[in-house]
Amino acid sequence: AQSVAQPEDQVNVAEGNPLTVKCTYSVSGNPYLFWYVQYPNRGLQFLLKYITGDNLVKGSYGFEAEFNKSQTSFHLKKPSALVSDSALYFCAVIRGSSNTGKLIFGQGTTLQVKP
Amino acid sequence: GAVVSQHPSWVICKSGTSVKIECRSLDFQATTMFWYRQFPKQSLMLMATSNEGSKATYEQGVEKDKFLINHASLTLSTLTVTSAHPEDSSFYICSAPTQGAGDTQYFGPGTRLTVL
Repeated sequence: AQSVAQPEDQVNVAEGNPLTVKCTYSVSGNPYLFWYVQYPNRGLQFLLKYITGDNLVKGSYGFEAEFNKSQTSFHLKKPSALVSDSALYFCAVIRGSSNTGKLIFGQGTTLQVKP
Repeated sequence: GAVVSQHPSWVICKSGTSVKIECRSLDFQATTMFWYRQFPKQSLMLMATSNEGSKATYEQGVEKDKFLINHASLTLSTLTVTSAHPEDSSFYICSAPTQGAGDTQYFGPGTRLTVL
């Protein structure tokens, strides 16, 4: 069965420090991987995706993620965290050959950036 | 990025009444849209896939007679919660892929439903 795991419920980081939000996946075939961010009482905003090609993907607001096939991971990173990055982050996957488009979400990680 | 809107952003209703939530793709056409439900501080649960011109596909455990979905046009899908009860109170979010079922999905801002 396809699944996505975000092992940390919450990540705390000081402003200006690098941040990492972890994601691992399990899917048959090639994965399409996504990161979304959600602010309180809002919908999800798309940050970045990996479909194919370069393993390091750059996205919105200075975020990037690295696809690691051997470790089946797609960790979200940012070199220098901002207080405004504090939000709920979701990793999601679609099986590459799937034509249903159904996203499978991880359970979410709350990022708290302190001044 | 593409824009998806939802209306209303919040609604309060009495038990037994029906509530309609609209999801619109503002700058692109969407033959497929998705409806999710989210409980506080939890992940999104896919309820159904809305298909323009055909019936919606519901996930296991979702009552299709309770949550009526109509994909009226290439830019509009509606979710009607019929005979709402307090346990239906939740945050409902729709999404639409810009090109096809496997492309990036853009999400609406969500609708907070409270059933008294």
